[in-house]
Amino acid sequence: DVKVTQSSRYLVKRTGEKVFLECVQDMDHENMFWYRQDPGLGLRLIYFSYDVKMKEKGDIPEGYSVSREKKERFSLILESASTNQTSMYLCASSLAAFGGATGELFFGEGSRLTVL
Amino acid sequence: AQKITQTQPGMFVQEKEAVTLDCTYDTSDPSYGLFWYKQPSSGEMIFLIYQGSYDQQNATEGRYSLNFQKARKSANLVISASQLGDSAMYFCAMRGGHGGATNKLIFGTGTLLAVQP
Repeated sequence: DVKVTQSSRYLVKRTGEKVFLECVQDMDHENMFWYRQDPGLGLRLIYFSYDVKMKEKGDIPEGYSVSREKKERFSLILESASTNQTSMYLCASSLAAFGGATGELFFGEGSRLTVL
Repeated sequence: AQKITQTQPGMFVQEKEAVTLDCTYDTSDPSYGLFWYKQPSSGEMIFLIYQGSYDQQNATEGRYSLNFQKARKSANLVISASQLGDSAMYFCAMRGGHGGATNKLIFGTGTLLAVQP
């Protein structure tokens, strides 16, 4: 079975703390993504990566950074957590969309972050 | 810029009836892909169906079909014979762009479907 694993299901952090969210996929996918999901706003793309050490900003990158040192691992970093970053964070991966591949995303179970 | 719009925040449907969930999109790219995902209350994201912009026929997967109207830029999901287990949030998404961004998916705000017995 294909698998995307997020390191923490639930986190509670204090304002100003540095937060690391880790994501690992075992499917040898080229692409990895971080989204945040908020009620009424759907899924919004924070960052994505289409190769090791490559990253591109999504729609809401402010306050976040990412790291992809190995193909299977994509980390989301909140340098100084703020209360407005309280959200559900979803990691996903996909094959490159060429040839017959659709580029379908495979998602992790999500990490619910609360910043107090 | 690419955009996905889902105008129905919530819908009710009677069990065994068909339901259509609306999705419109905006893109200037000639090549793109459209997806529907289901998110039940458990939170997992489940891929349902895919339509490529060059596909001549509407995609179907079991009880799911995608009503693709390219000129109208719409990609509505039709669920036939609704079941109680279809109660969930449904998201429309689009892949497109250039270079590495070709693989990027953007999502709509979702439609919450409630199937009534």
